[in-house]
Amino acid sequence: AQSVTQPDIHITVSEGASLELRCNYSYGATPYLFWYVQSPGQGLQLLLKYFSGDTLVQGIKGFEAEFKRSQSSFNLRKPSVHWSDAAEYFCAVENSGYALNFGKGTSLLVTP
Amino acid sequence: DGGITQSPKYLFRKEGQNVTLSCEQNLNHDAMYWYRQDPGQGLRLIYYSQIVNDFQKGDIAEGYSVSREKKESFPLTVTSAQKNPTAFYLCASSNQGRGNTEAFFGQGTRLTVV
Repeated sequence: AQSVTQPDIHITVSEGASLELRCNYSYGATPYLFWYVQSPGQGLQLLLKYFSGDTLVQGIKGFEAEFKRSQSSFNLRKPSVHWSDAAEYFCAVENSGYALNFGKGTSLLVTP
Repeated sequence: DGGITQSPKYLFRKEGQNVTLSCEQNLNHDAMYWYRQDPGQGLRLIYYSQIVNDFQKGDIAEGYSVSREKKESFPLTVTSAQKNPTAFYLCASSNQGRGNTEAFFGQGTRLTVV
């Protein structure tokens, strides 16, 4: 089955610094990839998705992600992090059209 | 407003009891899903349904049951057979088919066994 790996369990960045969260996928064909964000005790909100076409995808809240087939990666980036970005971030891949497989998540801490 | 409603937000259960978590959506989505979330484990698929009166087991279905009698509703029952039911449960819905599985999530139900 298709799967994703998020290598970083926790990441700490200073407010105003740039951010990159890593996601690697395992899938033979072109994957359908997603990034979600979760605030504590809440559901998940979609940040952005990649299906095809332009490999640089823009999302909400100033986030973007780049699909790199050669590296099997779909890393999430933000140029300048705000304290409100502190949350859990999940990468996901569509599993043959019936559900999403999620990574284990990366917890982002933003320091003043 | 369209969305997914899960209730209750918090639920306490005694060992040996069954408990049912509610999930309702008004997005007119065909597919609905139940995920379980534990710290450090990400989201794991319990059950999913692509159409009314049909559902399929996900990766961790043991100890759980579901029904899909209406398009809008997909309740999850946590049975006494589930050995470690304390977790955060998330319901989601989407359109179905390749490229249509962008999932919309409810706010979750936190179940605690006491």
